[in-house]
Amino acid sequence: SQQGEEDPQALSIQEGENATMNCSYKTSINNLQWYRQNSGRGLVHLILIRSNEREKHSGRLRVTLDTSKKSSSLLITASRAADTASYFCATGLPFMDTGRRALTFGSGTRLQVQP
Amino acid sequence: DTAVSQTPKYLVTQMGNDKSIKCEQNLGHDTMYWYKQDSKKFLKIMFSYNNKELIINETVPNRFSPKSPDKAHLNLHINSLELGDSAVYFCASSQSMNTEAFFGQGTRLTVV
Repeated sequence: SQQGEEDPQALSIQEGENATMNCSYKTSINNLQWYRQNSGRGLVHLILIRSNEREKHSGRLRVTLDTSKKSSSLLITASRAADTASYFCATGLPFMDTGRRALTFGSGTRLQVQP
Repeated sequence: DTAVSQTPKYLVTQMGNDKSIKCEQNLGHDTMYWYKQDSKKFLKIMFSYNNKELIINETVPNRFSPKSPDKAHLNLHINSLELGDSAVYFCASSQSMNTEAFFGQGTRLTVV
């Protein structure tokens, strides 16, 4: 089973609407990261939230983290057609586990923003 | 300046062949990775190198072998290619294993 699982698998919205994607994970974490992948390209880091943080903002992005529920959400406000991409969450393990695992990704949420 | 570059971008080859994918990073990072992305977009970690030492080695076939001539390079060698090896392979690097990762553009491998 995957460490990070995104939900929904696909999301289609109109330009200007907000997009919310969720991520659930299974083990304790040191941090959680969100990445974006445009079609045919590599992943690009968006934002990192540490396990002792509950919310973080970056431009139109808002990330929340609930360690009690082992879940995170990524909110993109006022979406644009250029936001069309796949979005992945990735989890890093606590320091004492470092050396046995790398960043673990899910299968992503495919976001389509209609102009 | 490309931070993480991998070559080739596309690779089409026949079953049974041996091929290599090269990766270089100019970020001075200590850790490099190889990931495999399947047709369903799931990213699976294959290998991780930290200061030229293999840190993890997931359950991938031993036909796959990482080779790191120095801290800035991590190449992927694949022997006796099979149809199921067709996928997109991504190289990435990070300062340490839990920090932000930088990805290459990917190599789309097609085995025919």
